[in-house]
Amino acid sequence: DTAVSQTPKYLVTQMGNDKSIKCEQNLGHDTMYWYKQDSKKFLKIMFSYNNKELIINETVPNRFSPKSPDKAHLNLHINSLELGDSAVYFCASSQEGRATDTQYFGPGTRLTVL
Amino acid sequence: GQNIDQPTEMTATEGAIVQINCTYQTSGFNGLFWYQQHAGEAPTFLSYNVLDGLEEKGRFSSFLSRSKGYSYLLLKELQMKDSASYLCAVRDSNYQLIWGAGTKLIIKP
Repeated sequence: DTAVSQTPKYLVTQMGNDKSIKCEQNLGHDTMYWYKQDSKKFLKIMFSYNNKELIINETVPNRFSPKSPDKAHLNLHINSLELGDSAVYFCASSQEGRATDTQYFGPGTRLTVL
Repeated sequence: GQNIDQPTEMTATEGAIVQINCTYQTSGFNGLFWYQQHAGEAPTFLSYNVLDGLEEKGRFSSFLSRSKGYSYLLLKELQMKDSASYLCAVRDSNYQLIWGAGTKLIIKP
């Protein structure tokens, strides 16, 4: 069974469009994350969210917004897409409070903005 | 600022041993992680160090020196499937993970 899943796996769209990427985890974890991995392979945290707190990386444009309908889901909405948004977006989850706090990653969504 | 440094790329031979270094400067320290990422796939957890010393897990070992801001990942008996990027990440005082850019490891027969 897939622990962290994302849809879609590939997303090709035009500049200016609005799109969403969905993420679900069945691990019972408290905390979920969105990362952006650009062409240089840097993993940059965008958001971390649990039922208590949303932490936003201040460098993330407000065109990006996380939406969490419940503890197992954290979707990413992107408005007015730009060319520079092209990247691979990873969702991850972890169990807050455990010493190792290992993050489990979804398979990634490759976003291409034309 | 916060910074994680790793070599960009390394090459090693099948069956050999390779050491991937990571140095860090972060606001506080609450553990260091190593992840493996195959091309086109998600990162997967390899190891975790929070105290100084060596943690061994099969063919992979990870070492930490907090006073030096230094860690390494040691891979023994290299196999072709070990060709991947290896990401070093440090959890800072806010419990946020700061990621290095990763080291691409190429294994040659």
